[in-house]
Parts: sequence; structure tokens; C-alpha cells
Amino acid sequence: AQSVTQLDSQVPVFEEAPVELRCNYSSSVSVYLFWYVQYPNQGLQLLLKYLSGSTLVESINGFEAEFNKSQTSFHLRKPSVHISDTAEYFCAVRLTSGSARQLTFGSGTQLTVLP
Amino acid sequence: DAGVIQSPRHEVTEMGQEVTLRCKPISGHNSLFWYRQTMMRGLELLIYFNNNVPIDDSGMPEDRFSAKMPNASFSTLKIQPSEPRDSAVYFCASSATGYTEAFFGQGTRLTVV
Repeated sequence: AQSVTQLDSQVPVFEEAPVELRCNYSSSVSVYLFWYVQYPNQGLQLLLKYLSGSTLVESINGFEAEFNKSQTSFHLRKPSVHISDTAEYFCAVRLTSGSARQLTFGSGTQLTVLP
Repeated sequence: DAGVIQSPRHEVTEMGQEVTLRCKPISGHNSLFWYRQTMMRGLELLIYFNNNVPIDDSGMPEDRFSAKMPNASFSTLKIQPSEPRDSAVYFCASSATGYTEAFFGQGTRLTVV
């Protein structure tokens, strides 16, 4: 079975500062990796995903994540955050093969951007 | 496309009552997932359907919970009888062959008093 660990439950950061949200996973087989974002009283929205190829993936709003196979990590970063980035961020994995299509989520990291 | 549609958005019910949550997946999607979100346990997969057939229901907490998918465009999650510990946000998500990710609805916030 696969599992996801998000090491920080809360990350406060000042506006325009850089941020890193950490994610480690455990799986005996290869997985796809995802970051989802959840704004208050909303559903989860896909932020970015790693499937294969380049280990650095980017979102349209300035976030990036790097897949590190040796460290089984997929940390999310942004060089300069905005107030509007305040949300909960979830790391997730899914098996690359077989019929299982469900996502396994980490416990989430609440990012709070302070003025 | 309107995305995944869940109803109701909010539900308050008394302990012991039956509760039915509804989900309409994105048209053309053939996989449907029910997740539960709580502060204590985070996001848990309850059940997963593929082509309207339940594939994995190992996350369903107990016999009080049941889920159905009578056709490709509709699914229900029923709790009978409901208990205060069932209070949570319940999400439905759908996916399709060719997509690796799941698309989530807005969720139903259930409060059992």
C-alpha cells in the first residue's frame, strides 16, 4: 500500500516571501504524484502533477514541485507568495499501473500568507 | 462542463435519521470516488466505482454506510442511521480513462446533532 506524509500541518509566511511545503511518499511500486489546493468551503483543485519525464513541474500560478525518486519526495515551492495563496494544500499519489485509480492523500498543509 | 455536482451542499440532521448524499460526475467519466474529510482523519477514500461497479469499498466505515451507482451519471451515499461521529465533509470525485487525476465536487457538509 502507498502512503503520503506531509511534514508540516501549518506554514505561516509573509507576503512575497518564498515557501516550501514538504511531501514524502512511500510505495513499493511506481506512482504518479499530485498537489491539490483547497480554498475555504471549496472542493479540491489540481495544482500540478508529475507523471514522467522532467522531474520539475510547474503550475500556471507560479508554484513548482520537484520529484526526487531517491528521497521519495515531491516538495512544493513558490518563490514569492501572495495573500491569495492562503489555502490548504494536499499531496497525493496514485499507482501508475493496474486498475486502481484512486488517490491517496496526505494530511494536508495549511498555508497562511500574512500581510 | 459544469464539473462534478454534489447535493445538498449542507445537511443538518438528527442522530438516527437517514441521510442521502448525491453526486453527478462529469459527463463521460467512468470512475467515481467518495471521500470523507475530517479534522482528525483528513481525506479518506470511502468507496470507488469503475463503470458503475464498486471496485474498492474497504474504506466504508461500517454497515450503516452504503453507496450505489445505478447509472453513469448518478451516485448516492447513504448513512442509516446517522450518528454525530459521521459529521464531516463528503466529497465526490470523478475521473476518466486518459486522465490521471480526479476532479472534485464542492462537497457536502454533514452535521449530525
